[in-house]
Amino acid sequence: KNEVEQSPQNLTAQEGEFITINCSYSVGISALHWLQQHPGGGIVSLFMLSSGKKKHGRLIATINIQEKHSSLHITASHPRDSAVYICAAAHNTDKLIFGTGTRLQVFP
Amino acid sequence: DSGVTQTPKHLITATGQRVTLRCSPRSGDLSVYWYQQSLDQGLQFLIQYYNGEERAKGNILERFSAQQFPDLHSELNLSSLELGDSALYFCASSVGGLPGSTEAFFGQGTRLTVV
Repeated sequence: KNEVEQSPQNLTAQEGEFITINCSYSVGISALHWLQQHPGGGIVSLFMLSSGKKKHGRLIATINIQEKHSSLHITASHPRDSAVYICAAAHNTDKLIFGTGTRLQVFP
Repeated sequence: DSGVTQTPKHLITATGQRVTLRCSPRSGDLSVYWYQQSLDQGLQFLIQYYNGEERAKGNILERFSAQQFPDLHSELNLSSLELGDSALYFCASSVGGLPGSTEAFFGQGTRLTVV
């Protein structure tokens, strides 16, 4: 079993839909990162959080430390949100353990 | 633009060869991280340097080595290349030395194809 699990692996949505991507981890963490990887391959850091909730534009990330679970929400999804979303757990601050990613496709 | 520069963007080479990937971190960032992303393994942490010193090591093969120079740019050297080394190699940088506690900024990656 991977130390960081994401679900779903693939997600298809219509433009405007509300999207949720889940991340569960089994290790102790100091922070959890959400990353976005576009079809061209580049990776962008979306959020780093260790408690509660963060919001940036249409993106919201939440984390529940007790349940070892984080979610990434996208409101009013748009085709340009199509990408692979990766969560990464910062394990005891010395390394990042990555989930396998969720491939999101948003159709107009 | 993350401010992290990786060169080259693409590299095609033959098995048994040696290549060097280069990374220039964001201005002011002291840490450089190297990651490998292959189709079947996802993103894997290779190695981290902080202000010229090796800070943490991940799943890096003995055929691979890295260093960080006084101007803080870093190079990842891959030798005796095998077909299975074909992957995207990412560099990231951050201000601090602890990957869990500071945001990392990623370069665009180097796509290595070994034929």
